[in-house]
Amino acid sequence: GAGVSQSPRYKVAKRGQDVALRCDPISGHVSLFWYQQALGQGPEFLTYFQNEAQLDKSGLPSDRFFAERPEGSVSTLKIQRTQQEDSAVYLCASSSRGQINEQFFGPGTRLTVL
Amino acid sequence: GQNIDQPTEMTATEGAIVQINCTYQTSGFNGLFWYQQHAGEAPTFLSYNVLDGLEEKGRFSSFLSRSKGYSYLLLKELQMKDSASYLCAVMDSNYQLIWGAGTKLIIKP
Repeated sequence: GAGVSQSPRYKVAKRGQDVALRCDPISGHVSLFWYQQALGQGPEFLTYFQNEAQLDKSGLPSDRFFAERPEGSVSTLKIQRTQQEDSAVYLCASSSRGQINEQFFGPGTRLTVL
Repeated sequence: GQNIDQPTEMTATEGAIVQINCTYQTSGFNGLFWYQQHAGEAPTFLSYNVLDGLEEKGRFSSFLSRSKGYSYLLLKELQMKDSASYLCAVMDSNYQLIWGAGTKLIIKP
């Protein structure tokens, strides 16, 4: 496709359940970012990949959060033992080269933890 | 700490001009971005400033003063479809984007 796609668009999880969120970046984009956006707030950085290498994971809020991009294309954000405070929209963005480039965002996955 | 400040909400009239301000304090500076976000949708890129001055792009212009830690987004000839949140984001010395909470712009006919 022409843009960044994410799936699922909506996810409802019971507290304690594990979830996996998928991101398909724009083909050929080297850089991939994950953000968490709470309602009425700006995105908060979670992690950054350049190709398959995870260069920065300083924004991951706890060790329950894990991201991978094994072949340098599709990425998965996994959240283990979900908690209510994990409820948010998870945005994925990609850019063509380095970090100082326009980031193209996917539509996000809205996660609700009950 | 790092901080991006922008007004929570602004109201303007269709056809008018509105200026959305953003002030920032970050560890390092590698440019300032403005994004537009309609409710329930992904942010879309509007502008990038790394040098002082005004960048014009159609109805939208963005200004930067690095010495003042200040930027604004100027929207002219407002249209109803411009109703959205406008997010200011600064790239810090680690090349991380630090985001403001966004300014919700309401356009009235």
